[in-house]
Amino acid sequence: KQEVTQIPAALSVPEGENLVLNCSFTDSAIYNLQWFRQDPGKGLTSLLLIQSSQREQTSGRLNASLDKSSGRSTLYIAASQPGDSATYLCAVNRPSNYQLIWGAGTKLIIKP
Amino acid sequence: SQTIHQWPATLVQPVGSPLSLECTVEGTSNPNLYWYRQAAGRGLQLLFYSVGIGQISSEVPQNLSASRPQDRQFILSSKKLLLSDSGFYLCAWSVGRDAQYFGPGTRLTVT
Repeated sequence: KQEVTQIPAALSVPEGENLVLNCSFTDSAIYNLQWFRQDPGKGLTSLLLIQSSQREQTSGRLNASLDKSSGRSTLYIAASQPGDSATYLCAVNRPSNYQLIWGAGTKLIIKP
Repeated sequence: SQTIHQWPATLVQPVGSPLSLECTVEGTSNPNLYWYRQAAGRGLQLLFYSVGIGQISSEVPQNLSASRPQDRQFILSSKKLLLSDSGFYLCAWSVGRDAQYFGPGTRLTVT
């Protein structure tokens, strides 16, 4: 059974720091992995999608990596800003169906 | 570009009343469509998904139902709401099994 874990559950850092959010999964047989952010009371915004054959994806100050063999993905945020404050979620898409398996999220606070 | 709409944005309904939430997608054809629920302090739960008109798969047995009357329209319904149906309902779309894109959500409070 695929399980997705995100550690830490919450993170508070001063503005300007580079930071890493972690996502781990128990079954390496994945189709792809997606990172999202969710602002309070809002829908989810898709940040990056990594296919199972890829090692990393980049978008602006965000870089997501994938290591299937170790069951890990990281989201690297460079030069953090207060506007990056949100809950970050990772989700794994299994090969067998359309259901995403979700982590519980990391609540990120960037202090000005 | 593609956009996804949900309405209403918020809804307060008494127990036992019916429910209809609507989701529409623009700018793409034959998308996969999904309904999720996010309860307070909890993760996302997939309720239904559809890979085509009239094709609905249910992930969680409950008093909710979904329909897809048109290619880019997805409707979530209930005949009689329960208190436990309160939550944040999110619609999403994807092309095949690529990235899922979410709508703004509907906040449902059952009183």
